[in-house]
Amino acid sequence: ETGVTQTPRHLVMGMTNKKSLKCEQHLGHNAMYWYKQSAKKPLELMFVYSLEERVENNSVPSRFSPECPNSSHLFLHLHTLQPEDSALYLCASSQLTPGGEEKLFFGSGTQLSVL
Amino acid sequence: SQQGEEDPQALSIQEGENATMNCSYKTSINNLQWYRQNSGRGLVHLILIRSNEREKHSGRLRVTLDTSKKSSSLLITASRAADTASYFCATARPQGAQKLVFGQGTRLTINP
Repeated sequence: ETGVTQTPRHLVMGMTNKKSLKCEQHLGHNAMYWYKQSAKKPLELMFVYSLEERVENNSVPSRFSPECPNSSHLFLHLHTLQPEDSALYLCASSQLTPGGEEKLFFGSGTQLSVL
Repeated sequence: SQQGEEDPQALSIQEGENATMNCSYKTSINNLQWYRQNSGRGLVHLILIRSNEREKHSGRLRVTLDTSKKSSSLLITASRAADTASYFCATARPQGAQKLVFGQGTRLTINP
């Protein structure tokens, strides 16, 4: 148990559906992240929230919309996805420090399949 | 790109043997970290080595860092079947907001 909980664990959706992924961290961290992991590709950073403010958006298509209502919760809203968006979506949290030695704590991920 | 690249992509050894994985990167770093991922699960942090450190140990893990060659290695001694997983290196840049850049990973299989 890493202290980061993601739901759902598995999600199958059609291209016209709207769904949301949820992440909750119980570690008191001040930063949260969304990563995308596709087969045979490096882990891709999608969004970073620091103190509930989005500080990084790596050219992610607008069909992915993040939301961070507080430092413990992070959502990824999905709409009109494409089959190539099928992947494991990982949430992580960390405690930002001036020294820059943050370690990431990951949830178990949501395995998303877009039909 | 600062992306770490692991080598080899896959490694299969017998239980009890040592496993060595390598990571190379391209730009200056603040620190380098190694993570482990069991199939279909999230990544778990293993060890962090700072840019001014050359070697670090944690249990059966030994990590080295050579900043002149921009490379790191992870050694797992006396491997066990439970060590079967994918191992990723991740580099953190010297300044700015934390943004770890991960490599593609090494898939390690320990045969009983």
